[in-house]
Amino acid sequence: AQKVTQAQTEISVVEKEDVTLDCVYETRDTTYYLFWYKQPPSGELVFLIRRNSFDEQNEISGRYSWNFQKSTSSFNFTITASQVVDSAVYFCALSEARVSNYKLTFGKGTLLTVNP
Amino acid sequence: EADIYQTPRYLVIGTGKKITLECSQTMGHDKMYWYQQDPGMELHLIHYSYGVNSTEKGDLSSESTVSRIRTEHFPLTLESARPSHTSQYLCASSEWGNQRNTEAFFGQGTRLTVV
Repeated sequence: AQKVTQAQTEISVVEKEDVTLDCVYETRDTTYYLFWYKQPPSGELVFLIRRNSFDEQNEISGRYSWNFQKSTSSFNFTITASQVVDSAVYFCALSEARVSNYKLTFGKGTLLTVNP
Repeated sequence: EADIYQTPRYLVIGTGKKITLECSQTMGHDKMYWYQQDPGMELHLIHYSYGVNSTEKGDLSSESTVSRIRTEHFPLTLESARPSHTSQYLCASSEWGNQRNTEAFFGQGTRLTVV
């Protein structure tokens, strides 16, 4: 069975601070996919990034960066120089690659509040 | 930009009414999903579909039902709404069997309130 744990329920920072959102996952499969989604107050889930289990390269996109470490089963997300518009709930998710059992499993989410 | 649409966006309805939440996508995705999101933020998979005429129950038991008669359409129905059904319902779709594009795209959600 697959599981995603986001231990931080809520984080509050002041604008321009860096913040890291933690994600730890469990899976028995050797091939899987990890995702981060953002849910702003408007309610829709916005896809941010996908990472394959065989690609451990870290990724940077503007102020966002992701650190994938298979050895610790973690896929952490860092926002550099946070802005008020970053305030949202962030979800980490996992799917196993088997076509017969392709489902997204989400963590419980981390509510990030960036204060001006 | 994802092309998946849910209607209505908000719905307030009385107990005992039958309701259908609509979900349509124009991306030609085979897989579609319904998630229920409680006020504590957690997302629960309640239904999914691999393609036309395929529907499966998700991880969370739900009194709702779904149908998949057309690839692009995946409506969710509650025969008799109850206050316990009050929640946000999110529809999503993704490609099937294409391991390079496995992310799911979500609609804006339907916020259902049963009074």
